[in-house]
This record gives sequence, C-alpha cells and structure tokens, in this order.
Amino acid sequence: AQKVTQAQTEISVVEKEDVTLDCVYETRDTTYYLFWYKQPPSGELVFLIRRNSFDEQNEISGRYSWNFQKSTSSFNFTITASQVVDSAVYFCALSEAGRNAGNMLTFGGGTRLMVKP
Amino acid sequence: GAGVSQSPSNKVTEKGKDVELRCDPISGHTALYWYRQRLGQGLEFLIYFQGNSAPDKSGLPSDRFSAERTGESVSTLTIQRTQQEDSAVYLCASSPRTGKVSYEQYFGPGTRLTVT
Repeated sequence: AQKVTQAQTEISVVEKEDVTLDCVYETRDTTYYLFWYKQPPSGELVFLIRRNSFDEQNEISGRYSWNFQKSTSSFNFTITASQVVDSAVYFCALSEAGRNAGNMLTFGGGTRLMVKP
Repeated sequence: GAGVSQSPSNKVTEKGKDVELRCDPISGHTALYWYRQRLGQGLEFLIYFQGNSAPDKSGLPSDRFSAERTGESVSTLTIQRTQQEDSAVYLCASSPRTGKVSYEQYFGPGTRLTVT
C-alpha cells in the first residue's frame, strides 16, 4: 500500500530564510504521481505542483523549487527567501496511476510552516 | 471559471442525527472525490466517482457513510446516525479525468462538521 511521510510537523523560520519541507513516499507502482498542496489559514487547498515518476528533473517556480529523488523516494520542497504569506500547512501527496484507475491521493500528515516577520 | 463549491460551509448537529453534505464540481470534470480531514491531520480518502462508473467506496469508514452522484454533476455525502468521531472537515475535489495519468485535483472549501 502507498504511504507518504512528512516527518516535520512544524517549522518556524524568520522571513527571508530558506526552508525545506521533507516528503518521503512508499509505493509498489512504477507509475505514480507526486503532488504538493498548500493549505493557508483560510483552509482551502491550493495545488502547487505535480510530478510523474518518470521525470526526475528538478523544478523551479519563482521562490519555490522541488527536488525529486527516486533513489531515496523523496520529493522535497524548498522555499527560498520565505515570506510571511508562505505561512500555511503544506501537504505532500501520492497517486498511483498504474493499476489504480481511481488516482485518489494519499496524503502525508502535513508540515505547518510559520514564517515570522 | 468557477471552482469546486461545497455547502454548507459549517454544520453543527447532534449525535445520532443524519447529515447531508453537497459538492458541486468544476464543470466538465468527470472525476469527483470526497476526503475527510480531522483536526491537525492530513486528508483521508473516502469515495471516488468517475463518470457513470460504479463508485470506489473503499475509503468509507463505516456503513453509516454513503454518497451519490448523478452523472458528472453534483454529489452528496450522507452520514447517518452521526457520532462525535465524525467531526471533521469534509473536502470535495474534482479532476478532469482519471486513468493512466493522474491529474491534479481541485479542492472545494470544505464543510466543517461538528457533532455535539
């Protein structure tokens, strides 16, 4: 069965610091997708990124970057020069697309990021 | 365009009562999912609909939980004889389709259910 672990339950940084959120996953499928979602205090989940298991290239989007390493089953998320608006709970999720036609998401427990001014 | 909407946004009910939660997916999205988020925790999958296919109910925690969806439109999640452990935020999500490719799911604002 699939599993996602976010070992950091809470991280506190001061504005402008860089911060990395860890995500480790388990799956038996060779075809799978990894996601990151942001849940700000308002509660609504915001999609950030999707990555498939065949594409290990790292991705950068503005201050956000993602490091996908199949060898360690990790999909870590880094925020550069953090801002107060980055304060939120961040979820990593996994979807198996091979035999599981439903593609439902398995979520990690989330990491609460607090960015202080 | 319009996102996923859910109603009510908040629901307080007495233990033992039935509740019905509603989800309006993004127009054209064939896949619809229900998840539950307990306080301070991640999301748990409940049920999934794809077009007119039989739903995947593998995540429903008990037979008190059921859901319906007509075609590719509105879905309702019903919880019968509510218990205090049912208190959570119930989130609905939709995605364009499913299969060999997993598309991102777009989430609604959720319904916060409190069972007293």
